[in-house]
Amino acid sequence: DAGVIQSPRHEVTEMGQEVTLRCKPISGHDYLFWYRQTMMRGLELLIYFNNNVPIDDSGMPEDRFSAKMPNASFSTLKIQPSEPRDSAVYFCASSLGGENTGELFFGEGSRLTVL
Amino acid sequence: AQKITQTQPGMFVQEKEAVTLDCTYDTSDQSYGLFWYKQPSSGEMIFLIYQGSYDEQNATEGRYSLNFQKARKSANLVISASQLGDSAMYFCAMRGFLYNTDKLIFGTGTRLQVFP
Repeated sequence: DAGVIQSPRHEVTEMGQEVTLRCKPISGHDYLFWYRQTMMRGLELLIYFNNNVPIDDSGMPEDRFSAKMPNASFSTLKIQPSEPRDSAVYFCASSLGGENTGELFFGEGSRLTVL
Repeated sequence: AQKITQTQPGMFVQEKEAVTLDCTYDTSDQSYGLFWYKQPSSGEMIFLIYQGSYDEQNATEGRYSLNFQKARKSANLVISASQLGDSAMYFCAMRGFLYNTDKLIFGTGTRLQVFP
């Protein structure tokens, strides 16, 4: 079975440009999470969805960040305009919920560098 | 609010020895799960082990075991017979099972170095 698929794996862009990160969760999973990892702040939860509905976006840094989940098999995280401090690895993860253990399955991450 | 604390930024262990990585947590939920993930230098997040708050026995998965002490709110990871390939970052995480706490939050991690 395919795992969580993220694209692009690497992105280098200039300050002010729009960045779109994409994620395809594991089929049948009803939770989707976006995390950001930096050396300074560790793994931060940005936003998570349950059945395509955003449940908690309190971790989204500011209005420059937005996330959507138009259907059960696709999500995007958009940064507009990007800034050098947004440079990080962005992970998408999905999981089952309910009676299950709730283990998160992670994608390989998207490494973003903003110059 | 939920919180995970890992107080050991780095640990060293000799190959074939056992090592314990500490994790304490705080939550007001009655039902929750505790997880450990491994992140090698290649960057992927690898699930290691899970402990449910109502599980009476400590979880074990091969060389990994979770020393769960509910009253002390601790969930330490024990790696037995360390191998060079165990060198990595290790993250403790918690997930509540109520609405709006069903998100996984992570500690700051412990970097484990296994030496020959």
